[in-house]
Formats: sequence, structure tokens, C-alpha cells
Amino acid sequence: AQSVTQLDSQVPVFEEAPVELRCNYSSSVSVYLFWYVQYPNQGLQLLLKYLSGSTLVKSINGFEAEFNKSQTSFHLRKPSVHISDTAEYFCAVSPISGGYNKLIFGAGTRLAVHP
Amino acid sequence: DGGITQSPKYLFRKEGQNVTLSCEQNLNHDAMYWYRQDPGQGLRLIYYSQIVNDFQKGDIAEGYSVSREKKESFPLTVTSAQKNPTAFYLCASRIGTANTGELFFGEGSRLTVL
Repeated sequence: AQSVTQLDSQVPVFEEAPVELRCNYSSSVSVYLFWYVQYPNQGLQLLLKYLSGSTLVKSINGFEAEFNKSQTSFHLRKPSVHISDTAEYFCAVSPISGGYNKLIFGAGTRLAVHP
Repeated sequence: DGGITQSPKYLFRKEGQNVTLSCEQNLNHDAMYWYRQDPGQGLRLIYYSQIVNDFQKGDIAEGYSVSREKKESFPLTVTSAQKNPTAFYLCASRIGTANTGELFFGEGSRLTVL
């Protein structure tokens, strides 16, 4: 079985400051890793994903995440946030093998960017 | 534009009533999913379907039922047996069946039981 822990339920930050949203996972098998973003009263959108290769993955809007296998982490970072980044962010994992076809989500981290 | 359409966006129900949430996709995706979202709990899987006329229970299927008669449609019925149905419900789809596939979400349906 897999589980995902997002260590912070809320992260307040000022505009243009750096931010890190933490994600740790537990799994007995290898997994793919994802970050999704949810704006108020909307569905989720994929922000970035790690499948294989370089452990550092980037999104088109400046976010990046690094897969650390030894620490079973996939933290999300942005060097300078904007007001428009205010949203809830979900870390998720999906087992590479085992016949599953679903994502296991963390509880979410609410990012609030203040002017 | 291709996407997933959920309706209604807001729904109120009296205790003891069944209610059906609609989910339609025109992305030609094979797999479809229903998740329930509660504050501070993330998303929990209710049911999923990988092909027409086939579906599997997720982690919290009790009190819910689904059907998959068409590839485009995956309606969710919240029955009176669901003890705490007030929540935000999200439908999603995925191309193919590999776990590398991105999930596409609808905008959700918010159900409130009065």
C-alpha cells in the first residue's frame, strides 16, 4: 500500500518570496510522483510529474520538484511566488506496477501568497 | 473544446434521498474516476472504471453506486446509505490504462445534505 504525507496544511508567504511545499511518501513498490494544483471551487490540474530520468522536474510557471529516493520525498519549490499562485497543492503517487490504475493523494497544502 | 463536464455544480439534498451526479467527457479517455474531497483529507477514491461496462470499488465505495454504459459517461449515485454525503465530488479521466497517464478533472459538484 502507498501513503502520502504533506507536512504543512497551510503555508503563508509574501509575494516574491521563495516557498517550499513538502511531500513525503511511503510505498513498498516503486512509484511515479505528481503535484497537482487546485484553484478555488475548481478541479485539479497537473502541475508536474516525475516518471524517470532526471530527478529534478520543472513546470512551465516556475515551480520545480526534486525526487529524493533515499528520503522518499518529492518537495515542491518556487524561488519567487506571485499572488496568482494562491491555491491548494496536492502531492500524489501512483505505483509503477501491481495492476493499479489510480493515484493516492496527500491531504493538500494551502498556499496563501500575501502582497 | 475537449474536457470533462460535471453537473450540477451545486446540489442540495434532504436526508434519505438518492442523488445522481453527472460526469461526461469528450476526450476519448478509457479510464474514469470519482473522488470525494473533504477539507484537510485530500482526495479519496470512490469508484473507477477502466473500460465500458466494468468498474471497481475504490477506498470509500460504501453508500455509492456507478454505471459505465458509455465510454463518455460515468454517473455517480449517492444513496441514502451514505452516512455523511456532504462533500465536494470530483470526476476525472485518464487516457489509456498506464499509471503514467495524467488525470484530467472536472470542476466538481458540491453536495450539501440538509
